[in-house]
Amino acid sequence: QVQLQESGPRLVKPSGTLSLTCTVSGDSIRSSTWWSWVRQPPGKGLEWIGEIYHTGTTSHNPSLKNRVTISVDDSKNLFSLSLSSVTAADTAVYYCASGLQWFGSWGQGTLVTVSS
Amino acid sequence: EIVLTQSPDFQSVTPKEKVTITCRASQTIGIALHWYQQKPDQSPKLLIRHASQSFSGVPSRFSGSGSGTDFTLTINSLEAEDAATYYCHQSSDLPHTFGQGTKLEIK
Repeated sequence: QVQLQESGPRLVKPSGTLSLTCTVSGDSIRSSTWWSWVRQPPGKGLEWIGEIYHTGTTSHNPSLKNRVTISVDDSKNLFSLSLSSVTAADTAVYYCASGLQWFGSWGQGTLVTVSS
Repeated sequence: EIVLTQSPDFQSVTPKEKVTITCRASQTIGIALHWYQQKPDQSPKLLIRHASQSFSGVPSRFSGSGSGTDFTLTINSLEAEDAATYYCHQSSDLPHTFGQGTKLEIK
């Protein structure tokens, strides 16, 4: 079974850029599946951020107004998230997940706080 | 975007009870509907994919049904370990969206 692990800074300043990496083990990033980011503000529900295929094809949630960049690094078997111009509303647990249509595997999640 | 509305938002139930959670989509989505269980401080876990297909390792007391706009997650003979928040998720159209969640409390 594929295993996913998020990593990155836990504290980001307002107007800055949130950057996270998801390291994939137990499967190749080149496998026929989509690699996604999902977030969950404290005490709230789940929000899909975006996804990437190993070819580099991406999609993202229009609600995030083009602040999202998702990239993949085949050589390191990982994919990354960049969210620019962050505000307190971007404080959330960020999960990486994988699956063709459903999300069968999830990372443990990492809480990122936006604060000065 | 497709809006998913779950009901109820919260339910307090006793062990061995049968529980039904519904998820209604704002437009038809075929069977592109999936269910997750999330326990406190844990990541979500897939229970049901494509409306009714149980995911590997999921106890048989969990089942799903429905198509189009109306879907149901059923938990037969509830166990104490089933205390969690349950989410539906649609993948029929981008962006992927989730229901608001249904929190189950065990009495």
